[in-house]
Amino acid sequence: GQQVMQIPQYQHVQEGEDFTTYCNSSTTLSNIQWYKQRPGGHPVFLIQLVKSGEVKKQKRLTFQFGEAKKNSSLHITATQTTDVGTYFCAGVPGNQFYFGTGTSLTVIP
Amino acid sequence: GAGVSQSPSNKVTEKGKDVELRCDPISGHTALYWYRQSLGQGLEFLIYFQGNSAPDKSGLPSDRFSAERTGGSVSTLTIQRTQQEDSAVYLCASSLDGPAPLHFGNGTRLTVT
Repeated sequence: GQQVMQIPQYQHVQEGEDFTTYCNSSTTLSNIQWYKQRPGGHPVFLIQLVKSGEVKKQKRLTFQFGEAKKNSSLHITATQTTDVGTYFCAGVPGNQFYFGTGTSLTVIP
Repeated sequence: GAGVSQSPSNKVTEKGKDVELRCDPISGHTALYWYRQSLGQGLEFLIYFQGNSAPDKSGLPSDRFSAERTGGSVSTLTIQRTQQEDSAVYLCASSLDGPAPLHFGNGTRLTVT
């Protein structure tokens, strides 16, 4: 069945360091979406990638979609304490969302 | 405009009792999803409604779980004969259509004692 794997599960960084989380799907996706969940909160949509090889930036966040549309990454440059939370990717092969297990980011001031 | 609304925000129930969780999606959103999230864990898909189509129930963990969506809007998730392992946060999300970005509600935290 459809699987979306995400690594690492946890990441602790010093404030100012970079952070990357990776997402891999067992099948080709029509699009991939990224969500952020702050501690105690609900997931909030960040971005959607649709095209093969697509790269999108949101300030210090860079999102990439692989050429084969089976993997994706989220990179944060110079982390800040406001980046704390769990980042989920969601693979969308059709109308269904397959969420990765999430990467919990801790930023040490 | 209002976001996705879920009620109650917290529910404590005794093992064996039935519970109903409600979700009011964003007006105009045709797709509605239910997920379950245990403490520190990922999102477990439960059920998906799209317009008037038959729901995708493939994620429901047992026949104690059921959901309905009336008039293409409000949805109710019912858990019968609750068990302690049902304790989790139940999240509802809606979107304009199937693959569009999801808007989540604040969730219902269910505790089964």
